[in-house]
Amino acid sequence: QKEVEQDPGPLSVPEGAIVSLNCTYSNSAFQYFMWYRQYSRKGPELLMYTYSSGNKEDGRFTAQVDKSSKYISLFIRDSQPSDSATYLCAMSAHVYGGSQGNLIFGKGTKLSVKP
Amino acid sequence: AAGVIQSPRHLIKEKRETATLKCYPIPRHDTVYWYQQGPGQDPQFLISFYEKMQSDKGSIPDRFSAQQFSDYHSELNMSSLELGDSALYFCASSFPIAGGGTGELFFGEGSRLTVL
Repeated sequence: QKEVEQDPGPLSVPEGAIVSLNCTYSNSAFQYFMWYRQYSRKGPELLMYTYSSGNKEDGRFTAQVDKSSKYISLFIRDSQPSDSATYLCAMSAHVYGGSQGNLIFGKGTKLSVKP
Repeated sequence: AAGVIQSPRHLIKEKRETATLKCYPIPRHDTVYWYQQGPGQDPQFLISFYEKMQSDKGSIPDRFSAQQFSDYHSELNMSSLELGDSALYFCASSFPIAGGGTGELFFGEGSRLTVL
């Protein structure tokens, strides 16, 4: 079993829909949780970063972490065609960006937002 | 703003050949990470360097080696290439929180290696 599980999709929604993306994990040592967006042939781009449990909102994006259930979510409100990309969850047990901060990624969910 | 620069962007090699990928981090970033992303796969952590010293090691094959130089750029050397090494190789850099940075990993656009 992989440490991080993520449904690869693809997920297709109409423009304006609310999108829900999820990951589950097995390593209780994970404390830092991130969502990356990756466009085709590009490197991952950080969208959201959360430490421990709780919610974080940034514009149309909301990240939720439930450590008791080992479950994280990303919600996208009023989805736009420009949101079409692969969304990767990532986690780390160590200080994010520190000398030991390597990330464990999920497989990524491919999202398509239709006009 | 300056980003992480990777070269070459595309590389085609034969089996058993060697390849070298280069990564130039964002100025002032002293930590470099290498990730391998196979077709339809998630990025897998290979190795990282902090202040020119190896700081962590992931699923990097023994055929691969890497180092970080005095100017903080890093090179990933791959020998005895196999078909399964065909992948997108990402480099990321960060400026640690302890040093006043955000700690965020900034990824380059990747080097696509194809082994024939």
